[in-house]
Amino acid sequence: GAGVSQSPSNKVTEKGKDVELRCDPISGHTALYWYRQSLGQGLEFLIYFQGNSAPDKSGLPSDRFSAERTGGSVSTLTIQRTQQEDSAVYLCASSPSGADNEQFFGPGTRLTVL
Amino acid sequence: KQEVTQIPAALSVPEGENLVLNCSFTDSAIYNLQWFRQDPGKGLTSLLLIQSSQREQTSGRLNASLDKSSGRSTLYIAASQPGDSATYLCAEVGNNDMRFGAGTRLTVKP
Repeated sequence: GAGVSQSPSNKVTEKGKDVELRCDPISGHTALYWYRQSLGQGLEFLIYFQGNSAPDKSGLPSDRFSAERTGGSVSTLTIQRTQQEDSAVYLCASSPSGADNEQFFGPGTRLTVL
Repeated sequence: KQEVTQIPAALSVPEGENLVLNCSFTDSAIYNLQWFRQDPGKGLTSLLLIQSSQREQTSGRLNASLDKSSGRSTLYIAASQPGDSATYLCAEVGNNDMRFGAGTRLTVKP
């Protein structure tokens, strides 16, 4: 069946512009996760959704980052006024329910801020 | 601060060798521990998931163990192959978040 999909696969933007990254989880998965991996660094957890709600948003790097999920399915990660340090691969994952399930990852979106 | 540490950071072995990758964590209230592999330019592939109530999981040539009391997990790879070359990440899953180690970069030489 279809896995987690993310779009776009690559995004190049100018500093100061806003970007929106999209994640389509596996159908029926209620839990959705956003991560980023910066060059030369480990994977960083950003935010977790259970259904449409995110219990903890403290992992978001700054107030320029926001995420939403509607209809318990698609999620968007928005970065406002992008900075060069936002350049990274942004990964999305979904799991059937909560923390006790295996996570399935999408291919990621490579964001480059010039 | 809760952390996940992976040792070694890099490992190079000849084909056919058995090897062990180590992961240690500080959160005693984990829900589960998950091992992934990451190939260059690609997303993560889940390898094994160990629930907090379990001690090990096996899939093919891979075996992962979990010892919550000591805060350790190991990934054992038997009869390594060049196709096993990748970065291996462990992650411990808490209530609302997930913490990853920095990974072990494995190279299996033909």
